[in-house]
Amino acid sequence: QVQLVQSGAEVRKPGASVKVSCQASGYTFTSQGISWVRQAPGEGFEWVGWISTASGRTDYAPHLQGRVILTTDTSTNTVYLELQSLRSDDTAVYYCARDPFDPGINWFDPWGQGTLVTVSS
Amino acid sequence: SYDLTQPPSVSVSPGQTATILCSGDVLPKQYVFWYQQKAGQAPILLIYKDDERPSGIPERFSGSTSGTTVALTISGVQAEDEADYYCQSADTSGNVVFGGGTQLTVL
Repeated sequence: QVQLVQSGAEVRKPGASVKVSCQASGYTFTSQGISWVRQAPGEGFEWVGWISTASGRTDYAPHLQGRVILTTDTSTNTVYLELQSLRSDDTAVYYCARDPFDPGINWFDPWGQGTLVTVSS
Repeated sequence: SYDLTQPPSVSVSPGQTATILCSGDVLPKQYVFWYQQKAGQAPILLIYKDDERPSGIPERFSGSTSGTTVALTISGVQAEDEADYYCQSADTSGNVVFGGGTQLTVL
């Protein structure tokens, strides 16, 4: 079955960077993209960005542009999210999700189990 | 604030029908998707492209649209349906937008 498995929880200080991984299995990795969505404690969802696993093309949420980098490694079917210059309001559970971007709209199925990133001094 | 508006909460007795609404100006122009998130779990896709149900999702979940308002209907609600429900679409620039979520309580 299609499965996305994410790396474990991270704690960082403000100003630092964090890199979270998402390994896919159960389907042809390059057939669909991967999006990242975050959820602050007790809050709703916020889309972070999308990467084409076939071409490496990326699309980022405007308010995170310049701080977020998505990369893909087709040899291990893994996508990475790097978030730089961390702030306290980046504290959230970060989810990766398969995203067909079809037809020209992002949607998410299935989701990874989530990775809690805590930013605290 | 959210580009898509949902009621914060809906309550329903077991066996009844729950309707969760989601409104937004973009909805006549873009598909809507619905997700269910149970406490402490990752979300799952319930409805895609307005009214399509993925394999494995029970038939009691359905989606419908009417102009700037869309609806998720759960027929014959069961206790296991207690969860948060989120609608999702895209704005006119193609940026992903989510509703604020609706907490469904099964009385």
